[in-house]
Order: sequence, then C-alpha cells, then structure tokens
Amino acid sequence: NAGVMQNPRHLVRRRGQEARLRCSPMKGHSHVYWYRQLPEEGLKFMVYLQKENIIDESGMPKERFSAEFPKEGPSILRIQQVVRGDSAAYFCASSPGDRDYEQYFGPGTRLTVT
Amino acid sequence: GNSVTQMEGPVTLSEEAFLTINCTYTATGYPSLFWYVQYPGEGLQLLLKATKADDKGSNKGFEATYRKETTSFHLEKGSVQVSDSAVYFCALRVDTGRRALTFGSGTRLQVQP
Repeated sequence: NAGVMQNPRHLVRRRGQEARLRCSPMKGHSHVYWYRQLPEEGLKFMVYLQKENIIDESGMPKERFSAEFPKEGPSILRIQQVVRGDSAAYFCASSPGDRDYEQYFGPGTRLTVT
Repeated sequence: GNSVTQMEGPVTLSEEAFLTINCTYTATGYPSLFWYVQYPGEGLQLLLKATKADDKGSNKGFEATYRKETTSFHLEKGSVQVSDSAVYFCALRVDTGRRALTFGSGTRLQVQP
C-alpha cells in the first residue's frame, strides 16, 4: 500500500509567482490535512478537507492561500503571489474516514521563494 | 488554546545512553497525545500514542506515559542507537470534531557511536 505522495518534493518560485503543491492520500483515505513547517519550528495546521469539501480552514492565511480536494485527483494547495515568508516545508497527511486518531504524513514539499 | 512545549535541542547522546525528551501540554478538554519522528528528508512517522490518562504508549523501545496531573507526556528510551538520530515531535489532538494536530517545536536527537 503506497504511502501519502507529495509532489514536487522541492519547488523554487520567484516572488509574485504561483505555487501549486499536490498531495495524493493513501489508498482508501478520504481525509486530507495540510500543515506548514517553518524553519526550526513545529508543524502548524492549515486546512482539513474531505472529498469536495473544506471542513476546517482555520489555519489558512486569509489571503493568497487556497486548497481543494476534488472528487478525482490529488489535493492541491495553491499559493498565489508568493512572498519570501512563504518559504517552508508543506506537509500533507491523510487518514481513513472511520478512524480519527492516526494521520499518515507525506514526505513534504519544500518551497523556496527567491 | 491548545499548546505543546518540548525541551529544546539538540540532545546529543552516546550510543546505549538513556533518553528522555520532555513534553508538556495545555489543552481544553481531554486530548490524545502523540510522539512523531522525522528522519532527515522524510515526512513524520507516528512513533506512539496514548488516548487517556495513565495510558502508556510504546514502540521500538520508546515509551511515554500520559500524566494528566502533570500535563506531561515525556518520551523515554533505555538504550539509544545511532539510527534513532532524528527530530522528535510531541503533539496533541482534542476530540472536539476538529481533527488537527497541535505540535511542539521538535527536539533534535543526535546519537554518536
């Protein structure tokens, strides 16, 4: 059973460009979570999605950030007009719909804004 | 709000030494507690968990006991190996329907041969 897949693993963008990060959950998982890890810090929750629904986006910045999890295909975290402060590692986790307690993490996407 | 405080690293130990990484928490309600491990260049892996007071989580020689009276969940291992070198994160989740994990800032462990 393949784990959570994220791509790209590394992404470099210039200020003002858009960044798209993709996450494919584990097979059979319908819940996806996005976290951001700033250098030397712990992970901070951003958004929680189920298929075609945003359940909790309380950790998302109000502007420039959006997330989706369509019926088909991976979950996408989109950052418009990136700034240097967006440089971080972005981790996706997934869990099965019928168990609350375990989230399986992907390897992360390291975004660098130059 | 909810928060997790971990001891700062790095923690440097010799192989076969005893390990303790302190973790304390503040939470509304009754949280579940977790330890995750992150090896270089990889995502987080769940190491162990405890879902109620006095539970002991254990895995791969690591242990942690959920202490409600001291709001702590310290990670211990009796004899560390070089392969245990990684960053360890303590985390909590309060079962209020919001499923997000709240993480500590992480503790880097370096084990020398």
